[in-house]
Amino acid sequence: EAGVTQFPSHSVIEKGQTVTLRCDPISGHDNLYWYRRVMGKEIKFLLHFVKESKQDESGMPNNRFLAERTGGTYSTLKVQPAELEDSGVYFCASSQEGAVYGYTFGSGTRLTVV
Amino acid sequence: QKEVEQDPGPLSVPEGAIVSLNCTYSNSAFQYFMWYRQYSRKGPELLMYTYSSGNKEDGRFTAQVDKSSKYISLFIRDSQPSDSATYLCAMSGAGILTGGGNKLTFGTGTQLKVEL
Repeated sequence: EAGVTQFPSHSVIEKGQTVTLRCDPISGHDNLYWYRRVMGKEIKFLLHFVKESKQDESGMPNNRFLAERTGGTYSTLKVQPAELEDSGVYFCASSQEGAVYGYTFGSGTRLTVV
Repeated sequence: QKEVEQDPGPLSVPEGAIVSLNCTYSNSAFQYFMWYRQYSRKGPELLMYTYSSGNKEDGRFTAQVDKSSKYISLFIRDSQPSDSATYLCAMSGAGILTGGGNKLTFGTGTQLKVEL
């Protein structure tokens, strides 16, 4: 089966610009997660979708971040306007319902804000 | 204080050595414990998982959880150069097998290099 696909793999933008990251989960996985790793820190949870609904968005850092999941399929994470501290690697993961051990991560989008 | 502490390394060992990786944690609500392996420019890949305290073995890998000490370990026997990667511990709370899962709390990862 195809894995979790993220694009772009790398994005360099200027401070103040807008960037949209996309994640295509494994087909049939209702659960979709976004995580982020900033330089030198641990991977941290951002939010969790179940189908098209936000189940938990407690990790979203501020209102410059907007996540959507259209029709319960792919998801986008928009950062607007981007700040320097938003630089890092953004990971998406998906799992079937109840499969806490069944996370499959994508390869991530490396975001650099200059 | 971080919820999960993990020595970032780097850790360099000769091929064939036994590797011991570990994490400590502070949140007693954690019930599910996982080890992920991450190669450069790739996403984390689940390696081992355990529920509550105890040991689990899978080939060259053994995961141990000691909830009384809030300490988890991953042992790699007969280490190979292909084991060179970053190893991340991750944990999650109770009640996550219903309703679709829960968030993971990660350690910072330990970078391991196995030399020929």
